[in-house]
Amino acid sequence: DAGITQSPRHKVTETGTPVTLRCHQTENHRYMYWYRQDPGHGLRLIHYSYGVKDTDKGEVSDGYSVSRSKTEDFLLTLESATSSQTSVYFCAIRTGEGEQYFGPGTRLTVT
Amino acid sequence: DQQVKQNSPSLSVQEGRISILNCDYTNSMFDYFLWYKKYPAEGPTFLISISSIKDKNEDGRFTVFLNKSAKHLSLHIVPSQPGDSAVYFCAASGASGTYKYIFGTGTRLKVLA
Repeated sequence: DAGITQSPRHKVTETGTPVTLRCHQTENHRYMYWYRQDPGHGLRLIHYSYGVKDTDKGEVSDGYSVSRSKTEDFLLTLESATSSQTSVYFCAIRTGEGEQYFGPGTRLTVT
Repeated sequence: DQQVKQNSPSLSVQEGRISILNCDYTNSMFDYFLWYKKYPAEGPTFLISISSIKDKNEDGRFTVFLNKSAKHLSLHIVPSQPGDSAVYFCAASGASGTYKYIFGTGTRLKVLA
């Protein structure tokens, strides 16, 4: 357990509304990641952060933005949610040894 | 372009026998490889990893083998137990000098009692 929590755990929202998912870690890891998991696609990287205010895009970043104003929190925002963003979202951290540990996930449904 | 591939979507194995899960990659710049197990409605759980300078790493019932010339890695589980039934993902990192991780699409393992 790497002390990673995600909120909310479940959310249903309407198309066109903004949504923010939060990832919180308690162990001061420098690297944090947001992934989405969809059937047939495995886990795909959306954005990641390598420090406070330092972020970079992943494979599927269109339609998503992130912010990291303090070490322990990494926020993922869908500015205007679409049905294609219905997915399970996972946050992860990277340890100094290169291992990644994941949070419990957020199931997002966009109707 | 799928840089990390798991070509077997599913695998069934008898309890007590060996489970072998395979993963292929295309980018020779990857220098670190990992395996994860995932149960439904939970986050992936880290299992075992291997650096590109090694060809084998063992942790209890789990062994990962890396064949760099073939760009292939495998996870061996011996002996397989019903509790090992889950989806297994391989991942690779280190290409382009970043700490981005690329995941395969997963293999669903079913261990039959």
